[in-house]
Amino acid sequence: NAGVTQTPKFQVLKTGQSMTLQCAQDMNHNSMYWYRQDPGMGLRLIYYSASEGTTDKGEVPNGYNVSRLNKREFSLRLESAAPSQTSVYFCASSPNDRGNTEAFFGQGTRLTVV
Amino acid sequence: DAKTTQPNSMESNEEEPVHLPCNHSTISGTDYIHWYRQLPSQGPEYVIHGLTSNVNNRMASLAIAEDRKSSTLILHRATLRDAAVYYCILRRAGGGADGLTFGKGTHLIIQP
Repeated sequence: NAGVTQTPKFQVLKTGQSMTLQCAQDMNHNSMYWYRQDPGMGLRLIYYSASEGTTDKGEVPNGYNVSRLNKREFSLRLESAAPSQTSVYFCASSPNDRGNTEAFFGQGTRLTVV
Repeated sequence: DAKTTQPNSMESNEEEPVHLPCNHSTISGTDYIHWYRQLPSQGPEYVIHGLTSNVNNRMASLAIAEDRKSSTLILHRATLRDAAVYYCILRRAGGGADGLTFGKGTHLIIQP
């Protein structure tokens, strides 16, 4: 039972490079989320997808794009990485985006932009 | 957006109960109160949630004030493995972009 799987676990990019963070869940969940966590801070929502075929901006969407490829997969793309995007990125999923459901998180991707 | 306020840190002794407070004075009638915790170098983990009544599960208990403006997460017998950052968040019944919005949480330190 894998739950939420994120790849890669670690990545170092040079400023201006692009990359895609992958997230997949095997729980047949409708809703998926991308967060970033900076040192000593809580999680900030970047984008979320309430259901397959929909995506919406969260608190800090600038510099990112997302794709809900299918029900299982939700990817986060950095088109031109900047040092300010150095962070730990977490993907999460939940049965739906309603308030009485719990969310499940991946183990995170630690990204460093130099 | 509904917000929560938690102490930055708390300290407790192993094998003693821990009461983690959370204030949410602007909570709406349809907001669920959720608690998550994050162990070092891991993703957040669901602990418990409730709407109006107190809730118990194998991990913890959630006590919700009658006016719902505050809640308390209770760990009945803390162990060293409970040392983590605990987040109290509000999740709207109807969903939306501010669902699962995390603040800085409470850093719980457990002394042996």
